[in-house]
Amino acid sequence: EAGVAQSPRYKIIEKRQSVAFWCNPISGHATLYWYQQILGQGPKLLIQFQNNGVVDDSQLPKDRFSAERLKGVDSTLKIQPAKLEDSAVYLCASSLGQGEVSTEAFFGQGTRLTVV
Amino acid sequence: AQSVAQPEDQVNVAEGNPLTVKCTYSVSGNPYLFWYVQYPNRGLQFLLKYITGDNLVKGSYGFEAEFNKSQTSFHLKKPSALVSDSALYFCAVRDIPSNYQLIWGAGTKLIIKP
Repeated sequence: EAGVAQSPRYKIIEKRQSVAFWCNPISGHATLYWYQQILGQGPKLLIQFQNNGVVDDSQLPKDRFSAERLKGVDSTLKIQPAKLEDSAVYLCASSLGQGEVSTEAFFGQGTRLTVV
Repeated sequence: AQSVAQPEDQVNVAEGNPLTVKCTYSVSGNPYLFWYVQYPNRGLQFLLKYITGDNLVKGSYGFEAEFNKSQTSFHLKKPSALVSDSALYFCAVRDIPSNYQLIWGAGTKLIIKP
């Protein structure tokens, strides 16, 4: 079974530039998550999709971050403009579906973003 | 509100010795608990979960976890540590009222010394 695919693996940009990350979840997984992980900390949920609808984006800095999952499969996360404090690893994860308490989330390898 | 605490930032264990990584939780209702491991420059990998049933849960790579309802704990254990177990370990609980999202602990760095 193919895992969660993310690209790129690494990205270095200057502050005020824009950047986009891509995620392809495991086939059949209805729920998709984007997390931000600062070095040495636990993951922080940015946004959660159920199919192509947003379930939770309460911690997404909407003035600069946006995400979409138009066809309920792939997803993109965009930052525009980037700030120095956005330097982090951005993790995408997927799980079978909302309401499935027993199912674990599967993670991609992440994109390490460095803003200089 | 649901929460997870990992009281130790770092745990040091000699190779071959048993290891324990601690996790306590606070939930309303039934707890659904998970352990993940993160190796350097990698995403999080699922280790094991407690949903219901036996209090001792077995998972990947020889790890197990003991669910203790009275102490609200879900400690990760392994009888004999390997150097390759050195990694960052995260405990998480599923927050049913908050769209079933996972609430994460801050992580514990496990260092196994030869």
